[in-house]
Amino acid sequence: QKEVEQDPGPLSVPEGAIVSLNCTYSNSAFQYFMWYRQYSRKGPELLMYTYSSGNKEDGRFTAQVDKSSKYISLFIRDSQPSDSATYLCAMRDQNTGGFKTIFGAGTRLFVKA
Amino acid sequence: DVKVTQSSRYLVKRTGEKVFLECVQDMDHENMFWYRQDPGLGLRLIYFSYDVKMKEKGDIPEGYSVSREKKERFSLILESASTNQTSMYLCASSLSNTVSPLHFGNGTRLTVT
Repeated sequence: QKEVEQDPGPLSVPEGAIVSLNCTYSNSAFQYFMWYRQYSRKGPELLMYTYSSGNKEDGRFTAQVDKSSKYISLFIRDSQPSDSATYLCAMRDQNTGGFKTIFGAGTRLFVKA
Repeated sequence: DVKVTQSSRYLVKRTGEKVFLECVQDMDHENMFWYRQDPGLGLRLIYFSYDVKMKEKGDIPEGYSVSREKKERFSLILESASTNQTSMYLCASSLSNTVSPLHFGNGTRLTVT
């Protein structure tokens, strides 16, 4: 079983829809949770970064962490065609000193105009 | 903004060749990483370095080596390229603490024929 599970999609939604992207994980020691966005033929770029449980909002993006369920989510409101990309969840155990980040396989998102 | 630059976007090499992938970061980050990204498998850590001339194996180091002679530069070496090393290679850097996220370059798409 992988440490981090992420549905690869693809997920196709109309412009303006609310998008929900999710990851589950098995390691209860994970404390730091990240979402990266990767456009085609580009490297991943950091989108959201949260510590422990709770919500974090940044513009149209909201990251949620539920440590009791070992489940993290990224919500995109008012989705735009420019949001079409692959979204990678990532997480880190504080005991590894920042050296080991575990990534999900990524979800491909298409937002249709 | 952190800039991580990978010297080549696309490379085509023959089986058995020695291949060098170069990465430079401009933010004085202590940590540097090499990942490979394959469909369905996500990002897998090959090697990382936490200081000049220091290196540690990641999850899939076989067939690879690295070199870090200067703080800003981290090289990945394929000693004898094989077709199963055809992949997207991503370099990343981060500050030396548990919370610092990874900053990625745009990747090198390597094809070994």
